[in-house]
Amino acid sequence: QLQLQESGPGLVKPSETLSLTCTVSGGSMSSSTYYWGWIRQPPGKGLEWIGSIYHSGSTYYNPSLKSRVTISVDTSKNQFSLNLRSVTAADTAVYYCARERDTDVVTPDYWGQGTLVTVSS
Amino acid sequence: QLVLTQSPSASASLGASVKLTCTLSSGHSRYAIAWHQQQPEKGPRFLMKVDSDGSHMKGDGIPDRFSGSSSGAERYLTISSLQSEDEADYYCQTWGTGIRVLFGGGTKLIVL
Repeated sequence: QLQLQESGPGLVKPSETLSLTCTVSGGSMSSSTYYWGWIRQPPGKGLEWIGSIYHSGSTYYNPSLKSRVTISVDTSKNQFSLNLRSVTAADTAVYYCARERDTDVVTPDYWGQGTLVTVSS
Repeated sequence: QLVLTQSPSASASLGASVKLTCTLSSGHSRYAIAWHQQQPEKGPRFLMKVDSDGSHMKGDGIPDRFSGSSSGAERYLTISSLQSEDEADYYCQTWGTGIRVLFGGGTKLIVL
């Protein structure tokens, strides 16, 4: 059974960089069928896709966040990471990592449990 | 511009059926979508993909009580024999050239 687990600091100061890692177990990240993505959910609000990465390093980003986001992958560790720069209180959210199916449907089909990141001084 | 519109809330009685709607913006009526369920305090779960012709493909372990259908620019999620654990937020999602993954605002389903 595929599992994804987010890890990283739960508190980040304004203007600093939010960094999270997703560890994938129960499957290989090198499959040609999938991308690996990050999605966030501010408290009490809906889901917002941040971006995703292929095992080769090819990326897609949400245009609204593109200037501040970098997603990277380390297939030797079965991990991928999110860096979000110059954070503000508006970046406070639960951050989910997910496997994205990339066939006839582009959709997160396995999700992590999520990790809450609070931006505050 | 590609937009998905969902009603903020819906309610139905235990054991009954409910049909949730996701509406695609003008000019995008042939897009397929996916439905995701988010139970309270949990991460989302992929339920199914729904095509413009109404065919649907479910995720692993999704019960037969969940089904999808389409009409024009509307995509539906029908849940029959409602159970208490079906009380959750339901998000539709699609994909496009401008943005790879786009979510609707979500519908909160209350089981009475």
